[in-house]
Amino acid sequence: GQNIDQPTEMTATEGAIVQINCTYQTSGFNGLFWYQQHAGEAPTFLSYNVLDGLEEKGRFSSFLSRSKGYSYLLLKELQMKDSASYLCAVRDGDYKLSFGAGTTVTVRA
Amino acid sequence: IAGITQAPTSQILAAGRRMTLRCTQDMRHNAMYWYRQDLGLGLRLIHYSNTAGTTGKGEVPDGYSVSRANTDDFPLTLASAVPSQTSVYFCASSRGAADEQFFGPGTRLTVL
Repeated sequence: GQNIDQPTEMTATEGAIVQINCTYQTSGFNGLFWYQQHAGEAPTFLSYNVLDGLEEKGRFSSFLSRSKGYSYLLLKELQMKDSASYLCAVRDGDYKLSFGAGTTVTVRA
Repeated sequence: IAGITQAPTSQILAAGRRMTLRCTQDMRHNAMYWYRQDLGLGLRLIHYSNTAGTTGKGEVPDGYSVSRANTDDFPLTLASAVPSQTSVYFCASSRGAADEQFFGPGTRLTVL
């Protein structure tokens, strides 16, 4: 099985930066995904890392270190609409996704 | 509009009843998945199908069955519902097993 850990909750101020960490232990590795999920809605894809390093996509960036089993999602210039749960998911050797429990980010004015 | 649809949106069900959750996608994706999402546990894979005609078991398959008769549809059946199956169920699809997954809007199921 997989073991994926991320913080339960984080709070930040509008305009600030927040970093959500994710550590994982998996049997095989074929990439790491970050999804955003607003309350009562479906998860939507944010980013994908399969090689070490930083992937930037607008206000969102994601970093991966395979040797450390570690990733983070960086949210810059926070907006109220960024209040949501952020799910870290690891694809294993059989190409199945395992999800962490999610990090609820609350953005305050 | 291309995407994934799920039905019903929500359902309250008596324990012991049979229930089928429907999932349809029109993106011609090969792979489809069923997850359940419970507070504090995140999304857990129930069953998956990498292509029409094939299915596989995920992390929590007991009490559930699936079929994949064609590319578009992937129904999930609870043969005899139990209260522990109360959850939000998400269907997802991807072009292939190695591609990003797109999620449907979910079905909120309550088993009493």
